[in-house]
Amino acid sequence: KQEVTQIPAALSVPEGENLVLNCSFTDSAIYNLQWFRQDPGKGLTSLLLIQSSQREQTSGRLNASLDKSSGRSTLYIAASQPGDSATYLCAVWGSARQLTFGSGTQLTVLP
Amino acid sequence: DVKVTQSSRYLVKRTGEKVFLECVQDMDHENMFWYRQDPGLGLRLIYFSYDVKMKEKGDIPEGYSVSREKKERFSLILESASTNQTSMYLCASTPGWTGGEQYFGPGTRLTVT
Repeated sequence: KQEVTQIPAALSVPEGENLVLNCSFTDSAIYNLQWFRQDPGKGLTSLLLIQSSQREQTSGRLNASLDKSSGRSTLYIAASQPGDSATYLCAVWGSARQLTFGSGTQLTVLP
Repeated sequence: DVKVTQSSRYLVKRTGEKVFLECVQDMDHENMFWYRQDPGLGLRLIYFSYDVKMKEKGDIPEGYSVSREKKERFSLILESASTNQTSMYLCASTPGWTGGEQYFGPGTRLTVT
Protein backbone atom coordinates (compact mmCIF):
# COMPACT_ATOMS: atom_id res chain seq x y z
CA LYS A 1 0.00 0.00 0.00
CA GLN A 2 1.28 3.45 -0.93
CA GLU A 3 2.54 5.58 1.94
CA VAL A 4 3.41 9.27 1.70
CA THR A 5 5.59 11.01 4.27
CA GLN A 6 6.22 14.73 4.64
CA ILE A 7 9.12 16.21 6.52
CA PRO A 8 9.22 18.42 8.51
CA ALA A 9 5.79 18.37 10.15
CA ALA A 10 6.16 22.05 11.01
CA LEU A 11 8.48 24.81 9.92
CA SER A 12 8.88 28.40 11.02
CA VAL A 13 11.03 30.81 9.01
CA PRO A 14 11.59 34.58 8.83
CA GLU A 15 10.14 36.46 5.88
CA GLY A 16 12.33 36.48 2.77
CA GLU A 17 13.93 33.08 3.28
CA ASN A 18 13.96 30.42 0.60
CA LEU A 19 12.69 27.08 1.87
CA VAL A 20 12.23 23.46 0.87
CA LEU A 21 9.45 21.09 1.83
CA ASN A 22 10.02 17.38 1.38
CA CYS A 23 7.72 14.56 0.34
CA SER A 24 8.56 10.87 -0.05
CA PHE A 25 6.46 7.95 -1.26
CA THR A 26 7.00 4.20 -1.05
CA ASP A 27 5.63 2.97 -4.41
CA SER A 28 7.23 4.60 -7.45
CA ALA A 29 4.48 3.37 -9.81
CA ILE A 30 2.62 6.68 -9.84
CA TYR A 31 0.87 8.64 -12.58
CA ASN A 32 1.38 12.05 -11.00
CA LEU A 33 2.13 13.98 -7.84
CA GLN A 34 0.30 17.06 -6.67
CA TRP A 35 1.11 19.75 -4.13
CA PHE A 36 -1.72 21.50 -2.29
CA ARG A 37 -2.05 24.38 0.10
CA GLN A 38 -4.65 24.48 2.89
CA ASP A 39 -5.54 27.49 4.98
CA PRO A 40 -7.20 26.89 8.37
CA GLY A 41 -10.85 25.85 8.05
CA LYS A 42 -10.73 25.87 4.24
CA GLY A 43 -10.56 23.37 1.42
CA LEU A 44 -7.40 22.42 -0.44
CA THR A 45 -6.01 24.59 -3.23
CA SER A 46 -3.96 22.91 -5.93
CA LEU A 47 -0.52 24.47 -6.36
CA LEU A 48 1.35 22.26 -8.79
CA LEU A 49 0.78 18.97 -10.61
CA ILE A 50 3.77 16.98 -11.88
CA GLN A 51 3.14 14.12 -14.28
CA SER A 52 5.26 11.00 -13.79
CA SER A 53 7.20 11.77 -16.99
CA GLN A 54 8.14 15.25 -15.79
CA ARG A 55 11.01 16.31 -13.55
CA GLU A 56 9.66 19.64 -12.32
CA GLN A 57 6.96 22.27 -12.53
CA THR A 58 7.09 25.95 -11.74
CA SER A 59 4.48 28.52 -10.83
CA GLY A 60 5.62 31.94 -9.74
CA ARG A 61 7.78 31.58 -6.62
CA LEU A 62 7.02 27.87 -6.37
CA ASN A 63 9.03 25.07 -7.92
CA ALA A 64 8.27 21.39 -7.44
CA SER A 65 10.58 18.58 -8.46
CA LEU A 66 9.94 14.88 -8.83
CA ASP A 67 12.40 11.99 -8.69
CA LYS A 68 10.12 9.04 -9.27
CA SER A 69 12.80 6.38 -9.08
CA SER A 70 13.83 7.43 -5.57
CA GLY A 71 10.27 8.21 -4.47
CA ARG A 72 10.88 11.86 -3.64
CA SER A 73 9.50 15.29 -4.37
CA THR A 74 10.43 18.71 -3.09
CA LEU A 75 8.52 21.97 -3.05
CA TYR A 76 10.78 25.01 -3.18
CA ILE A 77 9.34 28.36 -2.10
CA ALA A 78 11.45 31.38 -2.97
CA ALA A 79 11.46 34.63 -1.00
CA SER A 80 8.82 33.50 1.48
CA GLN A 81 6.09 35.90 2.63
CA PRO A 82 3.72 35.87 5.62
CA GLY A 83 0.89 35.10 3.20
CA ASP A 84 2.59 31.79 2.45
CA SER A 85 1.74 30.60 5.96
CA ALA A 86 -0.46 27.52 5.56
CA THR A 87 -0.32 23.74 5.60
CA TYR A 88 1.23 22.20 2.50
CA LEU A 89 0.21 18.70 1.45
CA CYS A 90 1.61 16.43 -1.20
CA ALA A 91 -0.34 13.57 -2.73
CA VAL A 92 0.34 10.87 -5.32
CA TRP A 93 -2.05 9.27 -7.79
CA GLY A 94 -1.35 5.61 -8.46
CA SER A 95 -2.98 2.51 -9.87
CA ALA A 96 -5.61 2.47 -7.10
CA ARG A 97 -7.21 5.42 -8.90
CA GLN A 98 -7.16 7.68 -5.89
CA LEU A 99 -4.84 10.15 -4.24
CA THR A 100 -2.73 9.12 -1.28
CA PHE A 101 -1.93 12.11 0.92
CA GLY A 102 0.91 12.95 3.22
CA SER A 103 0.14 14.40 6.63
CA GLY A 104 1.34 17.86 5.65
CA THR A 105 3.90 20.47 6.64
CA GLN A 106 2.59 23.42 8.63
CA LEU A 107 4.52 26.50 7.50
CA THR A 108 4.70 29.76 9.41
CA VAL A 109 6.47 32.73 7.83
CA LEU A 110 7.26 35.38 10.42
CA PRO A 111 7.13 39.06 9.44
CA ASP B 1 -11.81 27.70 -13.78
CA VAL B 2 -12.94 24.36 -12.44
CA LYS B 3 -15.47 24.80 -9.74
CA VAL B 4 -16.40 22.30 -7.08
CA THR B 5 -19.21 23.49 -4.88
CA GLN B 6 -20.62 22.01 -1.70
CA SER B 7 -24.15 22.62 -0.51
CA SER B 8 -23.29 24.01 2.92
CA ARG B 9 -20.26 25.53 4.64
CA TYR B 10 -21.56 24.83 8.12
CA LEU B 11 -24.16 22.33 9.25
CA VAL B 12 -25.47 21.37 12.69
CA LYS B 13 -27.50 18.18 13.03
CA ARG B 14 -28.82 16.06 15.87
CA THR B 15 -27.80 12.49 16.65
CA GLY B 16 -29.86 10.04 14.63
CA GLU B 17 -30.79 12.44 11.84
CA LYS B 18 -30.25 11.52 8.20
CA VAL B 19 -27.81 14.00 6.66
CA PHE B 20 -27.19 14.77 3.00
CA LEU B 21 -24.04 16.53 1.83
CA GLU B 22 -24.10 17.52 -1.81
CA CYS B 23 -21.21 18.22 -4.15
CA VAL B 24 -21.34 19.53 -7.71
CA GLN B 25 -18.50 19.98 -10.22
CA ASP B 26 -18.76 21.81 -13.51
CA MET B 27 -15.87 20.36 -15.55
CA ASP B 28 -17.25 17.01 -16.67
CA HIS B 29 -14.79 15.09 -14.47
CA GLU B 30 -15.22 11.34 -14.29
CA ASN B 31 -13.89 10.87 -10.77
CA MET B 32 -15.40 12.32 -7.60
CA PHE B 33 -14.36 11.83 -3.98
CA TRP B 34 -15.55 12.39 -0.45
CA TYR B 35 -13.00 12.85 2.36
CA ARG B 36 -13.21 13.73 5.97
CA GLN B 37 -10.47 15.65 7.74
CA ASP B 38 -9.83 15.53 11.47
CA PRO B 39 -6.99 17.03 13.52
CA GLY B 40 -4.12 14.59 13.82
CA LEU B 41 -5.69 12.10 11.40
CA GLY B 42 -5.26 13.96 8.15
CA LEU B 43 -7.44 13.41 5.10
CA ARG B 44 -9.25 10.08 4.99
CA LEU B 45 -11.12 8.81 1.96
CA ILE B 46 -14.73 7.81 2.62
CA TYR B 47 -16.05 6.91 -0.86
CA PHE B 48 -15.22 7.65 -4.46
CA SER B 49 -16.88 7.24 -7.81
CA TYR B 50 -15.39 6.97 -11.29
CA ASP B 51 -18.62 7.00 -13.25
CA VAL B 52 -22.33 7.62 -12.91
CA LYS B 53 -23.98 5.07 -10.63
CA MET B 54 -20.56 3.63 -9.74
CA LYS B 55 -19.14 3.83 -6.24
CA GLU B 56 -16.14 2.42 -4.44
CA LYS B 57 -15.44 2.26 -0.73
CA GLY B 58 -12.52 4.21 0.56
CA ASP B 59 -10.71 3.72 3.84
CA ILE B 60 -13.54 4.62 6.22
CA PRO B 61 -16.96 3.92 4.60
CA GLU B 62 -18.74 2.71 7.73
CA GLY B 63 -21.76 4.85 8.62
CA TYR B 64 -21.82 6.53 5.19
CA SER B 65 -23.34 5.91 1.80
CA VAL B 66 -23.14 7.81 -1.48
CA SER B 67 -25.19 8.50 -4.55
CA ARG B 68 -24.12 9.53 -8.05
CA GLU B 69 -27.14 9.79 -10.32
CA LYS B 70 -25.59 12.43 -12.58
CA LYS B 71 -21.97 12.88 -13.61
CA GLU B 72 -21.66 16.32 -12.04
CA ARG B 73 -23.23 15.51 -8.67
CA PHE B 74 -21.94 13.28 -5.87
CA SER B 75 -23.85 13.09 -2.61
CA LEU B 76 -22.65 11.81 0.75
CA ILE B 77 -25.31 10.43 3.08
CA LEU B 78 -25.02 9.88 6.80
CA GLU B 79 -27.80 7.38 7.42
CA SER B 80 -28.03 8.06 11.17
CA ALA B 81 -25.67 10.80 12.28
CA SER B 82 -23.53 10.20 15.34
CA THR B 83 -21.31 12.53 17.33
CA ASN B 84 -18.16 10.80 16.04
CA GLN B 85 -19.10 11.99 12.56
CA THR B 86 -18.52 15.59 13.59
CA SER B 87 -15.82 16.63 11.13
CA MET B 88 -14.81 18.67 8.10
CA TYR B 89 -16.07 17.00 4.92
CA LEU B 90 -14.30 17.72 1.65
CA CYS B 91 -15.46 16.84 -1.85
CA ALA B 92 -13.09 16.67 -4.82
CA SER B 93 -13.08 15.80 -8.50
CA THR B 94 -10.46 14.84 -11.06
CA PRO B 95 -10.50 13.75 -14.70
CA GLY B 96 -9.65 10.41 -16.22
CA TRP B 97 -8.19 7.06 -15.26
CA THR B 98 -4.65 8.39 -14.82
CA GLY B 99 -5.85 11.25 -12.71
CA GLY B 100 -4.99 14.81 -13.35
CA GLU B 101 -5.31 17.88 -11.24
CA GLN B 102 -7.65 17.22 -8.33
CA TYR B 103 -9.93 20.11 -7.37
CA PHE B 104 -11.49 20.49 -3.96
CA GLY B 105 -14.62 22.15 -2.77
CA PRO B 106 -14.59 24.62 0.15
CA GLY B 107 -15.61 21.97 2.69
CA THR B 108 -18.58 21.46 5.00
CA ARG B 109 -18.01 21.71 8.72
CA LEU B 110 -20.56 19.28 10.19
CA THR B 111 -21.36 19.27 13.89
CA VAL B 112 -23.52 16.47 15.28
CA THR B 113 -24.96 17.18 18.73
